Amino acid sequence: GAVVSQHPSRVICKSGTSVKIECRSLDFQATTMFWYRQFPKKSLMLMATSNEGSKATYEQGVEKDKFLINHASLTLSTLTVTSAHPEDSSFYICSARDTGTSGGSYNEQFFGPGTRLTVL
Amino acid sequence: GQNIDQPTEMTATEGAIVQINCTYQTSGFNGLFWYQQHAGEAPTFLSYNVLDGLEEKGRFSSFLSRSKGYSYLLLKELQMKDSASYLCAVMDSNYQLIWGAGTKLIIKP
Repeated sequence: GAVVSQHPSRVICKSGTSVKIECRSLDFQATTMFWYRQFPKKSLMLMATSNEGSKATYEQGVEKDKFLINHASLTLSTLTVTSAHPEDSSFYICSARDTGTSGGSYNEQFFGPGTRLTVL
Repeated sequence: GQNIDQPTEMTATEGAIVQINCTYQTSGFNGLFWYQQHAGEAPTFLSYNVLDGLEEKGRFSSFLSRSKGYSYLLLKELQMKDSASYLCAVMDSNYQLIWGAGTKLIIKP
């Protein structure tokens, strides 16, 4: 199946710093990528939909100036958490939808392994 | 509004069978997905249903009834490694996934 990588897998940072998380589709092109966050024992919460070459679409309640998303190519989307605070500590997961020919005929989303962010 | 309901937690015995139900109300329907998620890891794809009926894949099967807005995931011959959360998600008319809160499955020896 299609593979999505995420980097870093774990990051610890000080409050006030910015953290960039990369999401890459390794063997397919993804015009659309999704960014989720998940708190312990909770379901996935969609933060934004990232479209290659255009601005991301943010879900209600998600600050676009705090969570910067860039989808500069068909295989890479980045999420930057700016001026991170302890309440931003969470598990961030990206997914990519294969709109090509490598198997995603029913718009399946392939998930990255996730990034555990801890803000001190 | 859009809504996905599934039980919060279920317990089953190793070697037994368990059925996890999911009911949904969404704006449009482009398929229903089941994902498995182990603690601290990202979800992994289990199954996809877009037509009514049962899809069997090894020990796991998934059923869909669109008229009832209902699906279930059936796990047979349970193994300890099946202890995980199982997420039901529906793709709506905008091809966006609407997620259930997940069912935590506990397997006891």
